[in-house]
Amino acid sequence: RKEVEQDPGPFNVPEGATVAFNCTYSNSASQSFFWYRQDCRKEPKLLMSVYSSGNEDGRFTAQLNRASQYISLLIRDSKLSDSATYLCVVLQTGGFKTIFGAGTRLFVKA
Amino acid sequence: NAGVTQTPKFRVLKTGQSMTLLCAQDMNHEYMYWYRQDPGMGLRLIHYSVGEGTTAKGEVPDGYNVSRLKKQNFLLGLESAAPSQTSVYFCASSYNGGERLQETQYFGPGTRLLVL
Repeated sequence: RKEVEQDPGPFNVPEGATVAFNCTYSNSASQSFFWYRQDCRKEPKLLMSVYSSGNEDGRFTAQLNRASQYISLLIRDSKLSDSATYLCVVLQTGGFKTIFGAGTRLFVKA
Repeated sequence: NAGVTQTPKFRVLKTGQSMTLLCAQDMNHEYMYWYRQDPGMGLRLIHYSVGEGTTAKGEVPDGYNVSRLKKQNFLLGLESAAPSQTSVYFCASSYNGGERLQETQYFGPGTRLLVL
């Protein structure tokens, strides 16, 4: 079983749609959580950190459920520019075991 | 402020050849990392460094060596390249995490390596 699992997709949605991604992690000692965005043939870039209380950044909302060991990302009012691969990232206790999910591909169509 | 840069951007090697990938950052970050990314898999940590003169193994260190002689540079070496090392290699850097574990990693643009 992978330590961090994501639905690879692809998710194909029309502009304006709401789309949600889930990510599960296996190690309960995991301490910090992030969503990164990676455009085709580009480097990953931080989209947002995920806090226990949940957090929002514009059209993006991240949630953490420690009991069930999953993280979610909600994108509202999808834009064409949101088309990318979204990586779930988990940082485990000790600071240097950073586990990247394989990513979920999103295509937003006009 | 260039952030994190990597050279070369693309390289083709024959099995058994050696090469060095260079990563440089101008953000005065303490921590630096080397990852590889393969289709269908997440980024996997090869080696990392918590400061000048220090290195440590990550998840997939076999076949690679690293050096951090200067704070701003982190080199990844392949002594005898194998086809299994065909991948995209990303370097990243971050501030000293310490107790502040939620430190962003900044990535370089990547090096695409093909080993024939």
